[in-house]
Amino acid sequence: DVKVTQSSRYLVKRTGEKVFLECVQDMDHENMFWYRQDPGLGLRLIYFSYDVKMKEKGDIPEGYSVSREKKERFSLILESASTNQTSMYLCASSLTGVYGYTFGSGTRLTVV
Amino acid sequence: QKEVEQNSGPLSVPEGAIASLNCTYSDRGSQSFFWYRQYSGKSPELIMFIYSNGDKEDGRFTAQLNKASQYVSLLIRDSQPSDSATYLCAVTGTGRRALTFGSGTRLQVQP
Repeated sequence: DVKVTQSSRYLVKRTGEKVFLECVQDMDHENMFWYRQDPGLGLRLIYFSYDVKMKEKGDIPEGYSVSREKKERFSLILESASTNQTSMYLCASSLTGVYGYTFGSGTRLTVV
Repeated sequence: QKEVEQNSGPLSVPEGAIASLNCTYSDRGSQSFFWYRQYSGKSPELIMFIYSNGDKEDGRFTAQLNKASQYVSLLIRDSQPSDSATYLCAVTGTGRRALTFGSGTRLQVQP
């Protein structure tokens, strides 16, 4: 089975801090994604990557950036954390083409 | 209008009954449809996918797709308390490489 590992299960950060969320997958998947999940809003796409060093903005990229230097690793960066970025962050990966995702276990980020 | 709509629920069914979960989508170009189950505090897990009109069965689960009506559903037969979770519908979109998710329907199976 594909394993998608997110480095932290829970994080508490202060407003203005630069925050790094790491995601690693072990099955050579082309595509990797970052979503955030909030009550009543569902999963919203922040960024995704379809190849090393390639990235595309999702629906809510403001305040975020990403890095994919190696195929297995996709990092989400909060440039200057704000309280409205308090959320559950979910990383996912998939084969190229139209396939369902495998999700990581999620990182619950609280910005105080 | 949301791109993918689901009734938030909760949908409450007795143990052993059929649970019917529905999803509508707005993009007529959508080709692939996925159902995920998410237990409280956990991440979503893929349970079904469907690409063609009609029904697709896998154990107690049946996915139904009607592209003309832009409607996809998930039936869970012989519902068990362990099926209590939020069910997320996700679809591909025209010119879009990523899935779009609905907000999910919370299912409660009463023992």
